[in-house]
Formats: sequence, structure tokens, C-alpha cells
Amino acid sequence: SQQGEEDPQALSIQEGENATMNCSYKTSINNLQWYRQNSGRGLVHLILIRSNEREKHSGRLRVTLDTSKKSSSLLITASRAADTASYFCATAPGAGSYQLTFGKGTKLSVIP
Amino acid sequence: DSGVTQTPKHLITATGQRVTLRCSPRSGDLSVYWYQQSLDQGLQFLIQYYNGEERAKGNILERFSAQQFPDLHSELNLSSLELGDSALYFCASSPQSGGGGEQYFGPGTRLTVT
Repeated sequence: SQQGEEDPQALSIQEGENATMNCSYKTSINNLQWYRQNSGRGLVHLILIRSNEREKHSGRLRVTLDTSKKSSSLLITASRAADTASYFCATAPGAGSYQLTFGKGTKLSVIP
Repeated sequence: DSGVTQTPKHLITATGQRVTLRCSPRSGDLSVYWYQQSLDQGLQFLIQYYNGEERAKGNILERFSAQQFPDLHSELNLSSLELGDSALYFCASSPQSGGGGEQYFGPGTRLTVT
């Protein structure tokens, strides 16, 4: 079953614009991760944010985490056509099983 | 390139058959994870092995089994295949025993059951 739920399911923007994707989850977490998947390819890890962190940056990526609202957002600034992909959040539970649970993803299309 | 390899890339087989998918983890990684990705179910965790031993089990059917060999490569065996088993199967690896850290994914095996 999915722990994370991404929103929106699909997003279409022009090159150069910013893209924001959201993820909500239900139980306490140890960390939350974002992955990218180009069509039919393997997932690529983008960024990991721990439960005691509120914000993290990596290049054009900015991730925020609000554990009180059980939500996270991924911001891609100055998007490029090469950013076209599906983006998944994955949660690592705070206790018990440490397996990642993935959401169903946001499909981002960046139009040149 | 993640360093994780999977073979074959594509597999087409008939219902009722058995297939074996193979995965080689990144050099030095002791954990191997198997996932199934389908349009309706999304990415589902199947099973994890750590240094040759089963570590965690997810939504893996009884018709499916896996193992990790002494050289750390892993195989996922799917038997009595049904049309609904058609999906992308991914293997991922990580250095740690717990599954909560960053995972490195292979390119996947696309299984089509006809």
C-alpha cells in the first residue's frame, strides 16, 4: 500500500518556470526521499531529508518537510526539458520496518 | 549509471511459465531489494536480502521467490505466471542492512506475460 501520495498527478510547465510537487504521508517517518524516473527507466535518487530537518537544497532542487502536517514538497527551479520525468516520494518509517514505501508519483512535463 | 545491472532487459513469456530475473548490486553493497512497478499498483516493494539472508518481505506473492548468492548477486523467480504479473521489475541495492537509506536502482526488466 502507498504511504506517500504525490500531488498533482501530472504537471505541465514551460521551460524556465519552477515546478512544485507535494507529497503527503500518514505515519511517522525516519526520513523522506525523492526519486526521479525517466520513462521506463530505473529510479534515480535525488535527495533525502531526515525527520529532524525542515529544508534541504541540492543544485536546483529544494525540498521541505513539515512533520506536523506529514507533508513534503519538491521544488525544481528554472526547469529544463531534461527535467521531464516522473517524480516519486518515498518514506522510511520511524519504527518497525525500515523499508521504503513509494507514492504513485507526479508526472512532470517541461515544454521547451 | 547506478552500477546496478539487471538481466534480461525484456522478457516475453506465456501464462503458466516460470522465469528468472537476475540482478548484480553495486560493488560493495550488501543489500538487494526487489520491486514491482505496474500502472495500477505503482512501485511495490517485494523483498530484501542482506548479505545472503532474507531481511524483509513486502507484497510478494507465494508464486514468487528470491535468493541472494555468496557473490551478492540476486535472482527473482516468478512461477505460474499470470497476465497480471506483466510489469517492470526493478532491483535496487544499498550498503546498509536497513532499507531506509538511499537506494540505487537498476534499469529494470520488463516482463510481458501473454
